[in-house]
Amino acid sequence: NAGVTQTPKFRVLKTGQSMTLLCAQDMNHEYMYWYRQDPGMGLRLIHYSVGEGTTAKGEVPDGYNVSRLKKQNFLLGLESAAPSQTSVYFCASSYEGQGKTEAFFGQGTRLTVV
Amino acid sequence: AQTVTQSQPEMSVQEAETVTLSCTYDTSESDYYLFWYKQPPSRQMILVIRQEAYKQQNATENRFSVNFQKAAKSFSLKISDSQLGDAAMYFCAYRSARETSGSRLTFGEGTQLTVNP
Repeated sequence: NAGVTQTPKFRVLKTGQSMTLLCAQDMNHEYMYWYRQDPGMGLRLIHYSVGEGTTAKGEVPDGYNVSRLKKQNFLLGLESAAPSQTSVYFCASSYEGQGKTEAFFGQGTRLTVV
Repeated sequence: AQTVTQSQPEMSVQEAETVTLSCTYDTSESDYYLFWYKQPPSRQMILVIRQEAYKQQNATENRFSVNFQKAAKSFSLKISDSQLGDAAMYFCAYRSARETSGSRLTFGEGTQLTVNP
């Protein structure tokens, strides 16, 4: 099983450029999440989705947009990249119900904005 | 809003020894879950152990165990018989038990664990 797959694994952007990070999960999970990881700050929630066609803001949503057109995919977009968005981005998914609480993570995308 | 604090940015332990990583959290909720995740250099987030707040018994997974003190809002991780493969960043995380919250996790800052041979 692939689990949660993020594309790309690494990317360098110039300030002002745009890009989309793709997250795909094959576990039929309802919930999906985007986090960013910065040194000394742990992981912080950017946006999340509780089902196909739904999205919601997390703790640090500014500068990002998301879409969940298909249940298995969750896209994170940067319309105009800024150096402050240099980070490692993690996608996660989870199944809710029957006492299951575990979130499954992708392997991360290291993004550098110069 | 919930907060999670890990006050030890770095810890080190000798191989085969025991180490305890600290975590405190703040919440007004009574029902929630707590987790410890391990992140090795590969960046993969690996669930180490999980604790349900309604359970008084501390969770144990092989060499990993927790000391859950609900009243003190403390959730420490003990690693026994430390191995070189335990070297990693460890994150403490909180999750509300409310259904509408999904599995949204609030993470601590992380503790970098070094295991010395």
